[in-house]
Amino acid sequence: NAGVMQNPRHLVRRRGQEARLRCSPMKGHSHVYWYRQLPEEGLKFMVYLQKENIIDESGMPKERFSAEFPKEGPSILRIQQVVRGDSAAYFCASSPPRMGQGEAFFGQGTRLTVV
Amino acid sequence: KQEVTQIPAALSVPEGENLVLNCSFTDSAIYNLQWFRQDPGKGLTSLLLIQSSQREQTSGRLNASLDKSSGRSTLYIAASQPGDSATYLCAVMSNTGKLIFGQGTTLQVKP
Repeated sequence: NAGVMQNPRHLVRRRGQEARLRCSPMKGHSHVYWYRQLPEEGLKFMVYLQKENIIDESGMPKERFSAEFPKEGPSILRIQQVVRGDSAAYFCASSPPRMGQGEAFFGQGTRLTVV
Repeated sequence: KQEVTQIPAALSVPEGENLVLNCSFTDSAIYNLQWFRQDPGKGLTSLLLIQSSQREQTSGRLNASLDKSSGRSTLYIAASQPGDSATYLCAVMSNTGKLIFGQGTTLQVKP
């Protein structure tokens, strides 16, 4: 049973380009959470999705950022017109339909560098 | 709004010392509290998970306690080793599964 898979692991984009970050949850998991870790800062919640639904996007910047978790395929975090301040590590976590103990399973992260 | 604070921000100790990392949170309505370890440039490794109804959890040289009423948790590391050097993150989970993280404590254990 593979863990949470994120790709790419490293992504370099020029200012103004689009960045697409992918997260495949663990098998059987239908809930996905995205977090961002800016340099020298802690992890901040961005968005919580279930299949085809955004449940909580209270941590998402109002512009340029969007997320989806389609019925088939990975969850995608999309950043349009990237700026240097978007450079960060983006982590995805998944959980099963029932929270149970609430253990969070994290991917290895995507490190985005905007040049 | 839930806020999580970790003290100290950084800690440097000689090998072999026992040490305590502190975490406090403002809203006691939590689902659980988790401690993670993060090595530089790496992902998160889950260390211990304490349910809201529990008082402590132990794994090897690690022991975590939870006092929900006072909004505090501690991570105790016994007989520290250089390999324990990392950033330790405390996070509280809401009833929706969302984690709120502290800023972390960066630990250096010197040989």
